[in-house]
Amino acid sequence: NAGVTQTPKFQVLKTGQSMTLQCAQDMNHNSMYWYRQDPGMGLRLIYYSASEGTTDKGEVPNGYNVSRLNKREFSLRLESAAPSQTSVYFCASSRGSNSPLHFGNGTRLTVT
Amino acid sequence: GIQVEQSPPDLILQEGANSTLRCNFSDSVNNLQWFHQNPWGQLINLFYIPSGTKQNGRLSATTVATERYSLLYISSSQTTDSGVYFCAVLLMDSSYKLIFGSGTRLLVRP
Repeated sequence: NAGVTQTPKFQVLKTGQSMTLQCAQDMNHNSMYWYRQDPGMGLRLIYYSASEGTTDKGEVPNGYNVSRLNKREFSLRLESAAPSQTSVYFCASSRGSNSPLHFGNGTRLTVT
Repeated sequence: GIQVEQSPPDLILQEGANSTLRCNFSDSVNNLQWFHQNPWGQLINLFYIPSGTKQNGRLSATTVATERYSLLYISSSQTTDSGVYFCAVLLMDSSYKLIFGSGTRLLVRP
């Protein structure tokens, strides 16, 4: 039982490059989320998917797009990376809104 | 918007000591969760506790929703308890947007 799996673990991009962060969960959860964590700050929600086929903006959606590919997978895309997007990105899932949240191990992204 | 404040911001303990971490929130919430981020960056869900008290081994948590606070108790602390503890709340009018506090950084010395 792997839980929430994120790939890659580390990535370095140049300004303007694009990339997709992948996330998959094997807990049959309905809801999935993308958070970013910056030094000295808590976690901030980028986008979430309440259920398969739906996505919604969180607190800091600018510069990102998401795709809920199926019930298991939720990807985050940076179309044109900027240094301000240097951060640690966490994917998470839950059964529903009022359920415990389970995180993946994170992706450390550096944009130069 | 809602304020989620955690105290203390930093805490150093000797192994074996007990501690209490506090989370105050400024508005009514649907639920509250406690997380531990270990020194390797992994985030582990400790408690889902919208109200009442729960215990899990040496850790327990109490949420008093009517007074807008939650407490996390760590007893007989171990070095593996080191890391950052976050509380997060789900607003009444916001179905999926958990708001995180800025955390309490705990260091347990051997």
